[in-house]
Amino acid sequence: NSKVIQTPRYLVKGQGQKAKMRCIPEKGHPVVFWYQQNKNNEFKFLINFQNQEVLQQIDMTEKRFSAECPSNSPCSLEIQSSEAGDSALYLCASRSQNTLYFGAGTRLSVL
Amino acid sequence: GEQVEQRPPHLSVREGDSAVIICTYTDPNSYYFFWYKQEPGAGLQLLMKVFSSTEINEGQGFTVLLNKKDKQLSLNLTAAHPGDSAVYFCAVSPPYASSGSWQLIFGSGTQLTVMP
Repeated sequence: NSKVIQTPRYLVKGQGQKAKMRCIPEKGHPVVFWYQQNKNNEFKFLINFQNQEVLQQIDMTEKRFSAECPSNSPCSLEIQSSEAGDSALYLCASRSQNTLYFGAGTRLSVL
Repeated sequence: GEQVEQRPPHLSVREGDSAVIICTYTDPNSYYFFWYKQEPGAGLQLLMKVFSSTEINEGQGFTVLLNKKDKQLSLNLTAAHPGDSAVYFCAVSPPYASSGSWQLIFGSGTQLTVMP
């Protein structure tokens, strides 16, 4: 079973508000991914990073999304100004031996 | 880029019956193949990972078959029970890349319902 811990499980925000979610990857997994899963079960890669450095991110995340993994603190994904289209399940995963282990996700609802 | 087609989108079976989900991928260089299970309100639980050199893997109550010739990956739940009801996703990835470009490409999911 995965040991990736995501908080909070549920997040409700108004449009324009900041939304921040956290992830503690499995110990020893240096690469962390964030995916967005929409209601149609489509997965969109958002960003990944290794230790404190961003490896890759999509254009969407360059504008409103930011992520970080400070040393000795949980990783985080923050949406600066939430939009209705951001409502989705946000999944954090950590990678080991070319396998992703996912957390339970944070379900964001933007009203 | 890689495309993964998964079918069927919905599958209903009786308890004790088998259930088969199939994914077809396009990139012959794909190397790692995964099946994940997602229960309501939960994240993705890894069921099995197979490599390009492996054809058949058996898990607890299921079998995974990789057919590289046809670029097909299948999951066969041999005797389904109600606890197997969930959404199942296949995922495909290239060989490891030292850059950050390594990613999983997911199928569209199969909603499996096992009726008592």
